[in-house]
Amino acid sequence: GQSLEQPSEVTAVEGAIVQINCTYQTSGFYGLSWYQQHDGGAPTFLSYNGLDGLEETGRFSSFLSRSDSYGYLLLQELQMKDSASYFCAVDPYGGATNKLIFGTGTLLAVQP
Amino acid sequence: EAGVVQSPRYKIIEKKQPVAFWCNPISGHNTLYWYRQNLGQGPELLIRYENEEAVDDSQLPKDRFSAERLKGVDSTLKIQPAELGDSAVYLCASSGDRGGSYEQYFGPGTRLTVT
Repeated sequence: GQSLEQPSEVTAVEGAIVQINCTYQTSGFYGLSWYQQHDGGAPTFLSYNGLDGLEETGRFSSFLSRSDSYGYLLLQELQMKDSASYFCAVDPYGGATNKLIFGTGTLLAVQP
Repeated sequence: EAGVVQSPRYKIIEKKQPVAFWCNPISGHNTLYWYRQNLGQGPELLIRYENEEAVDDSQLPKDRFSAERLKGVDSTLKIQPAELGDSAVYLCASSGDRGGSYEQYFGPGTRLTVT
């Protein structure tokens, strides 16, 4: 089977740094993606890690360790608008299958 | 560029009634996905199209769900008859060659309530 584990909720204050972890057990692995979803909104793509290491995109960074089946999303200089659910997603098949398995999501609450 | 468009945004029906959802993907995106998202969960793939061909429908409950993508552009997902457990948000997404599968563009979804 395929499983991705994330904390269900995280709370942080404005201006702080927060890390959202994701561990996965999948039949294969070709990359880890992160999506943000505001309440009632569409999931939007944030970042992708195909290789080990850190990828940085503005205030957001994402890390992958394939040997540990682990990744995280790092959000810096938190803003109120960052309050949302964050999903990690694994591509277990690669190639032309275009299939993503999503985690259950982490609800981030940013407090003033 | 316009994003993925879905309609309706909300739908309330009684169980055993039929319902249909419509999706217009981003122009030029050959791959179209239908997902179901239950409350507090991540999206789960129901069906994936490459152009007009359904290439992955292993998670689609075929006894009551059907989908089509005529001319490889717009798509419709239908449930007939609906059951209480079908209450969820139905998301449509599309992707192009540049981003691959990991960068999918989602529509706002249709929130279905079955009473």
